[in-house]
Amino acid sequence: GDSVTQMEGPVTLSEEAFLTINCTYTATGYPSLFWYVQYPGEGLQLLLKATKADDKGSNKGFEATYRKETTSFHLEKGSVQVSDSAVYFCALSGKENYGQNFVFGPGTRLSVLP
Amino acid sequence: EPEVTQTPSHQVTQMGQEVILRCVPISNHLYFYWYRQILGQKVEFLVSFYNNEISEKSEIFDDQFSVERPDGSNFTLKIRSTKLEDSAMYFCASSPAVGVYEQYFGPGTRLTVT
Repeated sequence: GDSVTQMEGPVTLSEEAFLTINCTYTATGYPSLFWYVQYPGEGLQLLLKATKADDKGSNKGFEATYRKETTSFHLEKGSVQVSDSAVYFCALSGKENYGQNFVFGPGTRLSVLP
Repeated sequence: EPEVTQTPSHQVTQMGQEVILRCVPISNHLYFYWYRQILGQKVEFLVSFYNNEISEKSEIFDDQFSVERPDGSNFTLKIRSTKLEDSAMYFCASSPAVGVYEQYFGPGTRLTVT
């Protein structure tokens, strides 16, 4: 079945450091790919998405490119802030059956120190 | 901006009791979902619902679980006889019509079974 693998956390960075969180997936067909963020004590918020190969999703300084050849969707940010501390989830959604459930990765906890 | 709401934010119940978790999806959305997240673990799909019936469910969603859309706005998850292992954060999500794949999540209900 479909699956998502993320780099193990926690990731601890200093403010203004460069961030990469790796995400790779296994899926039949051509899924849509997403990054969700969960701030402490809150629910899941959509951060960005890409629906086809070579699409780049971006939001709030974060970006990720849908790489079909490497089945990856790595999250990057050039300069992290303390407020970016959260858990980041990579997820996919299949297209063959619209309304198909999301498959989430295990999440990567990011801590940004001032 | 429209959002998914969930009540209550925290529910404490005794083992064997029935609980109903409530969600109000975004008003023009057509697909509804329940997910759960056991503390420190990944977000897991439970069930999806479309056109007043279950469209997909996971192996977690056994006979103890049921979902209902009792009126035009609410979407509920019922657990008939709670077990200790049902303790988790339960997220409701909704997504709009064909062609859009992101899911919008509510803030979650934390269920504690004692």
